[in-house]
Amino acid sequence: DTGVTQSPTHLIKTRGQQVTLRCSPISGHKSVSWYQQVLGQGPQFIFQYYEKEERGRGNFPDRFSARQFPNYSSELNVNALLLGDSALYLCASSLQDNTGELFFGEGSRLTVL
Amino acid sequence: AQSVSQHNHHVILSEAASLELGCNYSYGGTVNLFWYVQYPGQHLQLLLKYFSGDPLVKGIKGFEAEFIKSKFSFNLRKPSVQWSDTAEYFCAVNYLNYGNNRLAFGKGNQVVVIP
Repeated sequence: DTGVTQSPTHLIKTRGQQVTLRCSPISGHKSVSWYQQVLGQGPQFIFQYYEKEERGRGNFPDRFSARQFPNYSSELNVNALLLGDSALYLCASSLQDNTGELFFGEGSRLTVL
Repeated sequence: AQSVSQHNHHVILSEAASLELGCNYSYGGTVNLFWYVQYPGQHLQLLLKYFSGDPLVKGIKGFEAEFIKSKFSFNLRKPSVQWSDTAEYFCAVNYLNYGNNRLAFGKGNQVVVIP
């Protein structure tokens, strides 16, 4: 039974560029959430999708967007990258849509130069 | 806005010592409570959870946590730590009024156990 998989694991971008991060949930999980973790802080909620619909959005600018596909995988897009977007982006999946019990992937480490 | 507080960000202790990590959260109605752990080089893993019932919950690897509703706290404990408990520990809260999986995390406790 594979866990949550994310790609790419590491990437470097420059300011103003756009990035797409990908996530495959645990088989059978229909909910996918995205979190941003900067150094020294706990993860911050960005989005949750359940059955392809947005179920929650955190306090992030419109440059951040996401979607969920029919196979429940998900993409997180960030446009017009800023230096402050450098962080570990975590994807988490769950069976249910409202308990908070999440299973995390290893993350995608984004560095913006 | 809902917030979660964890104090003593860095904790260093010897093997066999007892560990207690504090977690307090701001009021926001009914909550589900979690402790997640991140071992070096690994992803975040669920250590234990509280949804309802007995406020003393037991998790993996000998950890337990106590929910004290009147204090908005969910402290983590382990009577005798091992070197393998070296990790970062995060307290997280799901406020049920959101109706989703949104978790508010604390800043984490970096725990180092010296052999």
